[in-house]
Amino acid sequence: GDSVTQMEGPVTLSEEAFLTINCTYTATGYPSLFWYVQYPGEGLQLLLKATKADDKGSNKGFEATYRKETTSFHLEKGSVQVSDSAVYFCALRSGNTGNQFYFGTGTSLTVIP
Amino acid sequence: DSGVTQTPKHLITATGQRVTLRCSPRSGDLSVYWYQQSLDQGLQFLIHYYNGEERAKGNILERFSAQQFPDLHSELNLSSLELGDSALYFCASSASGGGLYGYTFGSGTRLTVV
Repeated sequence: GDSVTQMEGPVTLSEEAFLTINCTYTATGYPSLFWYVQYPGEGLQLLLKATKADDKGSNKGFEATYRKETTSFHLEKGSVQVSDSAVYFCALRSGNTGNQFYFGTGTSLTVIP
Repeated sequence: DSGVTQTPKHLITATGQRVTLRCSPRSGDLSVYWYQQSLDQGLQFLIHYYNGEERAKGNILERFSAQQFPDLHSELNLSSLELGDSALYFCASSASGGGLYGYTFGSGTRLTVV
């Protein structure tokens, strides 16, 4: 079935470091891909999305490219800030299973000054 | 404020009891989704309603049920509660039935069963 696998955390980085959080997916058909962010005590917020192969989603300095050949949607940011500390979820929306969303297990990021 | 309202924010109850969680979707959104987030199982899809009709069921226990009312708010009913039901319960909404542009999540209800 459709699924998302993302790198295990927690991840700890120094401020201004480069961030990569890996996400790979398994899906039939042509899924849409998303990254969500969850700050402490809050719900999930949509960070960025890509709806077809080679699309690049970007927001707040984060970006991710939908790579069909490697079935990946890795999240990157060139220079992280303390305020980026949160849990990041990769998600897939599968058109073949009633438009169901599948979420990864989440990767906790802590950025230290 | 995401526009999705969940009440209550916190709930503490005893095993065997029954609780109701409420969700008001973002204005104009017809779809409501319920998710359970626990430390050991991550984010688990429970159920999806679209304009009052059940559209999809996920890993929802028989002790749990939900409905969406004509004003589009939704309620998740949890009965015969067990310690393992302690979790964050999120509601999300989307404009279309397919969530093409992603979901908007509420801030969740934290349920503690003691």
